[in-house]
Amino acid sequence: GIQVEQSPPDLILQEGANSTLRCNFSDSVNNLQWFHQNPWGQLINLFYIPSGTKQNGRLSATTVATERYSLLYISSSQTTDSGVYFCAVVKPNFGNEKLTFGTGTRLTIIP
Amino acid sequence: NAGVTQTPKFRVLKTGQSMTLLCAQDMNHEYMYWYRQDPGMGLRLIHYSVGEGTTAKGEVPDGYNVSRLKKQNFLLGLESAAPSQTSVYFCASSYPNRVPNTEAFFGQGTRLTVV
Repeated sequence: GIQVEQSPPDLILQEGANSTLRCNFSDSVNNLQWFHQNPWGQLINLFYIPSGTKQNGRLSATTVATERYSLLYISSSQTTDSGVYFCAVVKPNFGNEKLTFGTGTRLTIIP
Repeated sequence: NAGVTQTPKFRVLKTGQSMTLLCAQDMNHEYMYWYRQDPGMGLRLIHYSVGEGTTAKGEVPDGYNVSRLKKQNFLLGLESAAPSQTSVYFCASSYPNRVPNTEAFFGQGTRLTVV
């Protein structure tokens, strides 16, 4: 199956800092999402971004599908950004697509 | 908008007991998924369904069964619970109206402890 690796596994930053999270995948995909799992365990949709660049407030994401990676940028970090960030991908397989998760990046923002 | 709703939110089982987790979605999604998340780890796919009446095995299917008798519901069953099945279970759905390549939405999770 498709392999999805995220880096770094852990990141500790001071409030106000910027960060870049990376997601590498081993095969072609037709769907890529970024999620934030907050400290209460809830999975929150951040971006649906199979290709290109999107921005939402302090967060933005870029996927370069031909090179099999995606980046999530967080600017001016706040303590509420703490949690685990997952990327998840779908490999094309007509009528039988599965959403495969990466290993996650645990982000801790210190006041 | 309810989205994806999981029932129950918490449950404690004794080893050998059985139970069923219910996932319900009101977005007319074709695909539904069950995942488990162990402490400090990512989500692993247990079973999934690409449409009403269909099911398929994911990465970690052993010890679980599923059914998709109605499009809006996806049930996950544990016939004889084991401590190794202690985990948080997430349900998700995607593909509204057979439109491919759309985002998936997740339920709030079910925390299951097997003692």
